[in-house]
This record gives sequence, structure tokens and C-alpha cells, in this order.
Amino acid sequence: GDSVTQMEGPVTLSEEAFLTINCTYTATGYPSLFWYVQYPGEGLQLLLKATKADDKGSNKGFEATYRKETTSFHLEKGSVQVSDSAVYFCALSEHLGTGRRALTFGSGTRLQVQP
Amino acid sequence: DSGVTQTPKHLITATGQRVTLRCSPRSGDLSVYWYQQSLDQGLQFLIQYYNGEERAKGNILERFSAQQFPDLHSELNLSSLELGDSALYFCASARTDSYEQYFGPGTRLTVT
Repeated sequence: GDSVTQMEGPVTLSEEAFLTINCTYTATGYPSLFWYVQYPGEGLQLLLKATKADDKGSNKGFEATYRKETTSFHLEKGSVQVSDSAVYFCALSEHLGTGRRALTFGSGTRLQVQP
Repeated sequence: DSGVTQTPKHLITATGQRVTLRCSPRSGDLSVYWYQQSLDQGLQFLIQYYNGEERAKGNILERFSAQQFPDLHSELNLSSLELGDSALYFCASARTDSYEQYFGPGTRLTVT
């Protein structure tokens, strides 16, 4: 079955540091890939997405590129802020049939940014 | 604010009881998904409804059931509750042909 593997956390960085959170996936077809973010006490928010190979998703300074050859979708940000502290989830969605698109999530990576 | 609402925010109940969680999707969204987030299992897909019909099932226990009503809101029913059912339950909604799912704030269920 489909699966998503994320790097273990927590990741602790100083403000303005460069961020990379690794994500690799296993899927039988050609999934869409997503990063969701969960701030403390809140639900999941869609951060960015990519629907086909070599697509780059970007939002709020975060970027991720869909790499089919390495089955990866690593999240990057050039300069993190304290407000980026949250749990980040990598996810994929396979098209199982008309209207059937469940998300498979990684285990989540907690990011802590220190001032 | 995603536009997806869930009630209640918190629920505390005893083992063996039955509870109902409610979700209202974003305006215009026909698909509703239910997910469970627990410390040991992570985020798991439970079930999906599309325009009132069940479309896909994930790791949903037989003690759990769901439905989607004509006004498109959905309810997740959890019965014969066990301590291990304590978790955050999220609802998400999506447009017909879009992969983008928008999540509600969740219902935190505590079984004592």
C-alpha cells in the first residue's frame, strides 16, 4: 500500500536558519503530494501541493519539488521564523476511482524555532 | 479559518458509551472525509462520503459508522467506546474534482 516516510523530529533551529524536512513516498501510481502544517491546538492547514513530477509547490516562503526519480518531496525554507514552529505533515493522495482521494500521511515532524 | 466546522470541540465520555461527532463542510464541497489522529497511530483515514454516498473506507473499526445528510453535513458515530479510541477526530471537505482537502479544527475525544 501507499506510505509516506518523514524525518524524525523534533527539528530545532535558530531564527533565520535554513530548513529542510525530508519526505519520501511509496505509491503504486502517480500520486499528488502535499505538505500540511498543524499549529498547536489547531487543525491541519494545507501549506503547498504538487500534482505531477517536477512540479514545485510554494507558499509563504516554503517550497517543495516533486521528484519522481527519488520518490521525494522535501520541504525547504530559506529563513525560518519563530512563528513557523509547528508540526509539518507530508501526505500523498492517490486517485482510486471517481471522487475517491484519501490522504496518506507521514508521521509528522515537529519544528521548533528559537529566537 | 478553513470554512469547515466541527462540533463539539471536546468530548469526555466513559468506556462503553456512544458518541456522535458532527462536521459541516465548506460551502459547495460535496466530499467529506474523516480522519483519526492518535499518538500511537498518527493520522489515519477512516471513511469518505461524496454527495451522500459512502465512497471509500480506510482503517475504520466496525464499532464506528458515518453518514452524510442531504444538506451535506456529516456525522461520525462511535460506539462501545474503549480507552484506545481517545484521539483527535478531524473532518475534511473537498470539491468534486479537486485533490485539496480542507480540514476542520477537530474534535478531541477522551474516553475514561
